[in-house]
Amino acid sequence: GQQLNQSPQSMFIQEGEDVSMNCTSSSIFNTWLWYKQDPGEGPVLLIALYKAGELTSNGRLTAQFGITRKDSFLNISASIPSDVGIYFCAGRSRDDKIIFGKGTRLHILP
Amino acid sequence: EAQVTQNPRYLITVTGKKLTVTCSQNMNHEYMSWYRQDPGLGLRQIYYSMNVEVTDKGDVPEGYKVSRKEKRNFPLILESPSPNQTSLYFCASSLYTGVLEQYFGPGTRLTVT
Repeated sequence: GQQLNQSPQSMFIQEGEDVSMNCTSSSIFNTWLWYKQDPGEGPVLLIALYKAGELTSNGRLTAQFGITRKDSFLNISASIPSDVGIYFCAGRSRDDKIIFGKGTRLHILP
Repeated sequence: EAQVTQNPRYLITVTGKKLTVTCSQNMNHEYMSWYRQDPGLGLRQIYYSMNVEVTDKGDVPEGYKVSRKEKRNFPLILESPSPNQTSLYFCASSLYTGVLEQYFGPGTRLTVT
């Protein structure tokens, strides 16, 4: 089936550093979303992208829908301790399936 | 407060003992879905429902049943649980099928021994 390849699997960064993660697919996706999951909770939507090339920000977070419609990235600037968690990309394929990436686990070193 | 609730939050059971995990949303959403989350595998869709009395299989439906008799409720039923169904389960809802932004419940951690 269709898959989203999310990388990196995990990241260890210092507080204040910028973070970048991405999702790629061999198939075209019509919509890309980025979710964050805090420990012990369900995922929460961060950013939704609907058009190829779209660049959207939400505070310190910026996400882009790739021009080829096969990828998306999420950047976090000036990381803070509460950014710790698992970040998931999700996409809707052309046959309307919702598919999630396997997640990027972000750790912030004191 | 707009929310998706799940019960129970934690459950330990034995192989073969039927169980139901309830899910309820108060946002009048048409679309509801169940996912399981396993280490290294991310979120995988079990079943989804586009409206009352309309349900369909997701990517990993084997061993699960669902029903959608009312718009707000979407219970997940394990008729004969097995240890490979030990997982973290999430219910989610969105306004309608075409809306990808989903609201997730807090999760149910199930252990089958």
